[in-house]
Amino acid sequence: DAGVIQSPRHEVTEMGQEVTLRCKPISGHDYLFWYRQTMMRGLELLIYFNNNVPIDDSGMPEDRFSAKMPNASFSTLKIQPSEPRDSAVYFCASSRLASTFGTEAFFGQGTRLTVV
Amino acid sequence: AQKVTQAQTEISVVEKEDVTLDCVYETRDTTYYLFWYKQPPSGELVFLIRRNSFDEQNEISGRYSWNFQKSTSSFNFTITASQVVDSAVYFCALRGVNTDKLIFGTGTRLQVFP
Repeated sequence: DAGVIQSPRHEVTEMGQEVTLRCKPISGHDYLFWYRQTMMRGLELLIYFNNNVPIDDSGMPEDRFSAKMPNASFSTLKIQPSEPRDSAVYFCASSRLASTFGTEAFFGQGTRLTVV
Repeated sequence: AQKVTQAQTEISVVEKEDVTLDCVYETRDTTYYLFWYKQPPSGELVFLIRRNSFDEQNEISGRYSWNFQKSTSSFNFTITASQVVDSAVYFCALRGVNTDKLIFGTGTRLQVFP
């Protein structure tokens, strides 16, 4: 398996523009997580899905952020409109069912977002 | 609520020294899993180890060892004879079976100098 694949690796956009980050989880994984990493706040869990259904989005900072998982092999994180404070590295991770397998999450390479 | 605390923000050692990274956790789940991840300067997050809450045996893998103590809610990570390549940010993480939420501590930056 190729692992978790995120695109793009780098994104530079102007304030006010819409940004869409993409993630392809590992085949067969039931869970998908979106994290944001900044120097100030570390690794924050934004939202996670189980079998394509959002389970907990309490970490999404505000309504400008939205995430979807239309099928088991694809998820998007959208920011509209983007602001400079959204600049961060965004990671996607996937895992199998914890209660059965207790397995670790595997991470993508991350998307470095810069909003100018 | 779940919480992971890594009180050490940054540690600097000289090569060949032993170093221990601390991790303290909080959870209401009776069954849970603990993890350590490594983030080298290149930025990717690399899984190191998983531990189940019902298995308190310590584990050793080469120069790495982990000490899990439920009584103190700690899951500490020791690197023996550190090397420059160990320089990275290390994260401790917790996942409860009931919530399935995977949360991370703030990380400890380890710098190993030659």
